Amino acid sequence: GQQLNQSPQSMFIQEGEDVSMNCTSSSIFNTWLWYKQDPGEGPVLLIALYKAGELTSNGRLTAQFGITRKDSFLNISASIPSDVGIYFCAGRGGANNLFFGTGTRLTVIP
Amino acid sequence: SQTIHQWPATLVQPVGSPLSLECTVEGTSNPNLYWYRQAAGRGLQLLFYSVGIGQISSEVPQNLSASRPQDRQFILSSKKLLLSDSGFYLCAWTPHPGNTEAFFGQGTRLTVV
Repeated sequence: GQQLNQSPQSMFIQEGEDVSMNCTSSSIFNTWLWYKQDPGEGPVLLIALYKAGELTSNGRLTAQFGITRKDSFLNISASIPSDVGIYFCAGRGGANNLFFGTGTRLTVIP
Repeated sequence: SQTIHQWPATLVQPVGSPLSLECTVEGTSNPNLYWYRQAAGRGLQLLFYSVGIGQISSEVPQNLSASRPQDRQFILSSKKLLLSDSGFYLCAWTPHPGNTEAFFGQGTRLTVV
């Protein structure tokens, strides 16, 4: 199965700092999604992107659907301790399957 | 509103034993259904997806199988578990057709001993 390249793998940041992570694919996607996963739980959807170039915000989170349709990024501004977790990107092409990135593990130091 | 239920939450099974994990969705009809596996500290690997009753697509060859006996029920099975089958299994659904976001169950932690 296909997997997306997500970077960085992990981040250690101070509370209040901004965070940026991105995801790339060799295939074109029609949908990009960003999820957050807490330990032992299923991923929870943060932001959904449906059009190339689309920039969408959800509180302190902002994500963009790349113009080439092969990449996306997620920014978190003014990080807080509860932002800790693993962030996943996911992409959907023309078929009904949905592929995930390898994840970015975020640690916020108070 | 739609909800997804996945059980059991945790499972410890001996090598060679059978497996059956169940996932059901409420509040929607004709969903796309998915099974993912997540190894410790890793990303989500798509195992199976289904666009309708009895329709199963497999993404990777493996020791597992999936079935969809009813519209909102998705089952992950194995006849004989291997140690390498250990992991965190997640069920997800999307509306059909599926060009929208996916929603996940709480996951099943499977340990094969």
